[in-house]
Amino acid sequence: DSGVTQTPKHLITATGQRVTLRCSPRSGDLSVYWYQQSLDQGLQFLIQYYNGEERAKGNILERFSAQQFPDLHSELNLSSLELGDSALYFCASSPHGGKYEQYFGPGTRLTVT
Amino acid sequence: DAKTTQPPSMDCAEGRAANLPCNHSTISGNEYVYWYRQIHSQGPQYIIHGLKNNETNEMASLIITEDRKSSTLILPHATLRDTAVYYCIVRVASSSNTGKLIFGQGTTLQVKP
Repeated sequence: DSGVTQTPKHLITATGQRVTLRCSPRSGDLSVYWYQQSLDQGLQFLIQYYNGEERAKGNILERFSAQQFPDLHSELNLSSLELGDSALYFCASSPHGGKYEQYFGPGTRLTVT
Repeated sequence: DAKTTQPPSMDCAEGRAANLPCNHSTISGNEYVYWYRQIHSQGPQYIIHGLKNNETNEMASLIITEDRKSSTLILPHATLRDTAVYYCIVRVASSSNTGKLIFGQGTTLQVKP
């Protein structure tokens, strides 16, 4: 158990819909990262938040957005969903930005039908 | 961040040492070598990291060559539960840097009875 929790574990939705994935970091960790893992793209970094502010962006689509709240939990919002958005979405946390290792949650499996 | 090269797959007999190589010939002086693993569809798990000295923890040992252009992750007594994809990642470890991880294809380690 990494101490990072993600909800829901599974999500099945239709194309065009919008979903929200939630992540609670380890106690005391200020950084939250989101990664997407699809069969054809592997593990890809999406976005990082540090203490409520966006720190880095990766290959995140404009239809996707994220935020980190004052209690440090984070949400990843995916809208206008397409079949290709079906993937595992992982959240990770670390105490600070780039200095420490990251601890990953169990992931949310999103299926778009 | 420096690019890494890993063999796509390796086998290891249960109880024997698993030695996973990684080439990072373009590594910079301030870049660390990190190892993570992912057991089938679970969240990636941090294993170990190092700069230039060899490192050991309860999970594994990391051997970095003197010129730092390659490294080897050693699992001293592999078990079936060590079957996973192992990722070698090279990046700067600094509080001022983003901590995003760039995952390659990794090495799929199959531990056989």
